[in-house]
Amino acid sequence: EAGVAQSPRYKIIEKRQSVAFWCNPISGHATLYWYQQILGQGPKLLIQFQNNGVVDDSQLPKDRFSAERLKGVDSTLKIQPAKLEDSAVYLCASSLDHYERPEQYFGPGTRLTVT
Amino acid sequence: AQSVSQHNHHVILSEAASLELGCNYSYGGTVNLFWYVQYPGQHLQLLLKYFSGDPLVKGIKGFEAEFIKSKFSFNLRKPSVQWSDTAEYFCAALSYNTDKLIFGTGTRLQVFP
Repeated sequence: EAGVAQSPRYKIIEKRQSVAFWCNPISGHATLYWYQQILGQGPKLLIQFQNNGVVDDSQLPKDRFSAERLKGVDSTLKIQPAKLEDSAVYLCASSLDHYERPEQYFGPGTRLTVT
Repeated sequence: AQSVSQHNHHVILSEAASLELGCNYSYGGTVNLFWYVQYPGQHLQLLLKYFSGDPLVKGIKGFEAEFIKSKFSFNLRKPSVQWSDTAEYFCAALSYNTDKLIFGTGTRLQVFP
């Protein structure tokens, strides 16, 4: 079974530039999550989708971050414009169903450096 | 605010030593509990999980964890560590109230041969 795929693996941008990350979850997984992991901390949930609908985006900085999951499969997370404090690893995870089978499986992450 | 605490930030052991990593959560009510492991250069992997039933759960690679409701704890144990257990370990809790998976800050384990 293929795992969660993410690209790119690394990205370096200057502040005020924009960046986009892509995630393809495990086939058949209804729930998709984006996390931000700052160095020395645990992952923090940014947004959660159930199929193609947003379930929770309460911790997403909506003035600069956006995410979509068209067709209920893969997803993109965008930052525009980026700030220095956005430097982090962005993790995508998926679960079969958040309410019935909530164990989450993570992708390799995208390491973002904002200079 | 609801939180997960891992009090050991960095643990150094010799091979064959026993391991116990602490995890405490602040939620009341029903929780699902997880331990994830991140080996160097790899992604987060699920080590074990607790949903209900027997409070002693066994995971992969000889790890186990015990859920003690009265102590709000879910400590990870392994009787004899190996060099290949060198990794970062994250405890996480999913509360039915918040419906979010909250992670601790992680414990970095180094095992020397």
